[in-house]
Amino acid sequence: DVKVTQSSRYLVKRTGEKVFLECVQDMDHENMFWYRQDPGLGLRLIYFSYDVKMKEKGDIPEGYSVSREKKERFSLILESASTNQTSMYLCASIPDSSNQPQHFGDGTRLSIL
Amino acid sequence: AQSVSQHNHHVILSEAASLELGCNYSYGGTVNLFWYVQYPGQHLQLLLKYFSGDPLVKGIKGFEAEFIKSKFSFNLRKPSVQWSDTAEYFCAVHTGGFKTIFGAGTRLFVKA
Repeated sequence: DVKVTQSSRYLVKRTGEKVFLECVQDMDHENMFWYRQDPGLGLRLIYFSYDVKMKEKGDIPEGYSVSREKKERFSLILESASTNQTSMYLCASIPDSSNQPQHFGDGTRLSIL
Repeated sequence: AQSVSQHNHHVILSEAASLELGCNYSYGGTVNLFWYVQYPGQHLQLLLKYFSGDPLVKGIKGFEAEFIKSKFSFNLRKPSVQWSDTAEYFCAVHTGGFKTIFGAGTRLFVKA
């Protein structure tokens, strides 16, 4: 069974801090995604990566960046955290075929004070 | 713009009641369709999917969904819900490339 592990379930940071959210998958998937989940808005795609060092912007990339140095790890970076980035962040991965169901991590609930 | 609309944000049912959650999408091309479920405190997981063939698909835990192409709909159904079905349900549509569009979600609460 695919395992997608997010480094933290809960995180509290201060405005202006640089924040790193880590995600690791153990099934050699090519494609990895970062979403944020907000009530009434569903999941919105921030960034995705289809290969090591490759990344594409999603629907709401502003204020975020990503890093994929190794195939199994996909990091989301909040360059200077702001209160409107308080949210649930979900990482997901899929194998090479892009229309397959996504495998999700447990999520990181991030609060920016 | 492509979008996915889930008709209800909150649904409250008693055990043994029948469930139907609506999902409509706006895209005229070929689609792959998914329903995901998120139980309290757990990660999102796949409930069922439609790629092609029989438009009535069956998933885990007695759920099924029907793809009606002419109505751009993929409604989720279950004849008799249980308390353990309390969760948030997301409809999702893959339209091509790497992008999957998710609906806003429907929170289902089943009273024991």
